Amino acid sequence: QVHLVESGGGVVQPGTSLRLSCAASGFTFSNYGIHWVRQAPGKGLEWLAVIWFDGSNRDYADSVKGRFTVSRDNSKSIVYLQMNSLRAEDTAVYYCARDQVTMTVAPSPYFDYWGQGTLVTVSS
Amino acid sequence: DIQMTQSPSSLSASVGDRVIITCRASQTISNSLNWYQQKPGKAPSLLIFAASHLESGVPSRFSGGGSGTDFALTISSLQPEDFATYYCHQSYSTPNTFGQGTKLEIK
Repeated sequence: QVHLVESGGGVVQPGTSLRLSCAASGFTFSNYGIHWVRQAPGKGLEWLAVIWFDGSNRDYADSVKGRFTVSRDNSKSIVYLQMNSLRAEDTAVYYCARDQVTMTVAPSPYFDYWGQGTLVTVSS
Repeated sequence: DIQMTQSPSSLSASVGDRVIITCRASQTISNSLNWYQQKPGKAPSLLIFAASHLESGVPSRFSGGGSGTDFALTISSLQPEDFATYYCHQSYSTPNTFGQGTKLEIK
């Protein structure tokens, strides 16, 4: 059974750093890309970042580029999200999600499993 | 970035109603459009991938259609457990983007 479990959230002050973890189980972790998505309180979903199955490629939303870094340790089946220079507007529930791809007219990715989320609150 | 415009933003309906939620992309995204359901305090869960493919275990009253820029999620006969928020998601290019959500409420 596929499981993704986020951890590392908490209350931090503006300008500080935090590292989130996404621990995976129940599948061959090294075969899948992982995305991070966040949801501010009462708001919609915002895609943040992706890391490919082997870590060879990463991409970020403009809102976090240069401040957040995604990495993975395939030996431990964990993806990390290093968040630096945190701002009040980074307050949100952070989810990791597994990337799955189906072949139709072209490769069509989607998020088939999500973690339960971890809450990050940035406040002085 | 590709903008996703989802409508309506909220909808009141009754059990047994047929409901359609639409999503429009600011540029063509082929069929790289997915739909998720989210209930309060829970993570989103996948309903439809690649515009029209029903995720395993999702009831057949859910269906999706469209391609290019215009897409729709249809719930053929609303059940009590369907009252939730629905999001479309384009995975055609990064940054991936989501619609703003449709909150489906009981009338």
